[in-house]
Amino acid sequence: EVQLVESGGGLVQPGGSLRLSCAASGFTFSSYWMSWVRQAPGKGLEWVANIKQDGSEKYYVDSVKGRFTISRDNAKNSLYLQMNSLRAEDTAVYYCARAAGVRGVLGMDVWGQGTTVTVSS
Amino acid sequence: SYELTQPPSVSVSPGQTARITCSGDALPKQYAYWYQQKPGQAPVLVIYKDSERPSGIPERFSGSSSGTTVTLTISGVQAEDEADYYCQSADSSGTSWVFGGGTKLTVL
Repeated sequence: EVQLVESGGGLVQPGGSLRLSCAASGFTFSSYWMSWVRQAPGKGLEWVANIKQDGSEKYYVDSVKGRFTISRDNAKNSLYLQMNSLRAEDTAVYYCARAAGVRGVLGMDVWGQGTTVTVSS
Repeated sequence: SYELTQPPSVSVSPGQTARITCSGDALPKQYAYWYQQKPGQAPVLVIYKDSERPSGIPERFSGSSSGTTVTLTISGVQAEDEADYYCQSADSSGTSWVFGGGTKLTVL
């Protein structure tokens, strides 16, 4: 079964750091672009970051540039999101998603169940 | 920053046709995607590359594109289609992705 499972969410103080993980199974992880997407409470979806199969290309939404880092370990079938200098507005459910096709041209076709990040003092 | 614009809500009666639009300046050059999200669940891809339907998605879901607007059409709407729908695309460079604000589909 194709599956993505996120972990690492929790409560963190403003200015703090958190590292999210996403464990992939049931498909050849190293063959896919991967994405992080977040959803603040009661709000819409927001794309956060993408990473190429070999990690050589990474793209971010402007609001997280310089604070968040997307990475992957193909040997461990895992995707990561290192989040530093966290702000209240980063509070959200964070989803990892598989982006199928070249540069994700076939869409984000597999999603995890999400992990919740709360930034509050 | 680049934006995609969707109507906040659309309402239809069962069996009728729902149309949800999404507008953006780069849509003539970039593909659009549509995701369905039900409460407490992760999004599900229902349309990719403007008009392609993933396997397992019912035929009543279709997509189209015209200029700077793309449209998700749900024909013969069923109660189970009640959900939030989000369009997604990229800016003109293709490297910055964006979602529309979402449209809540209510089945009356």
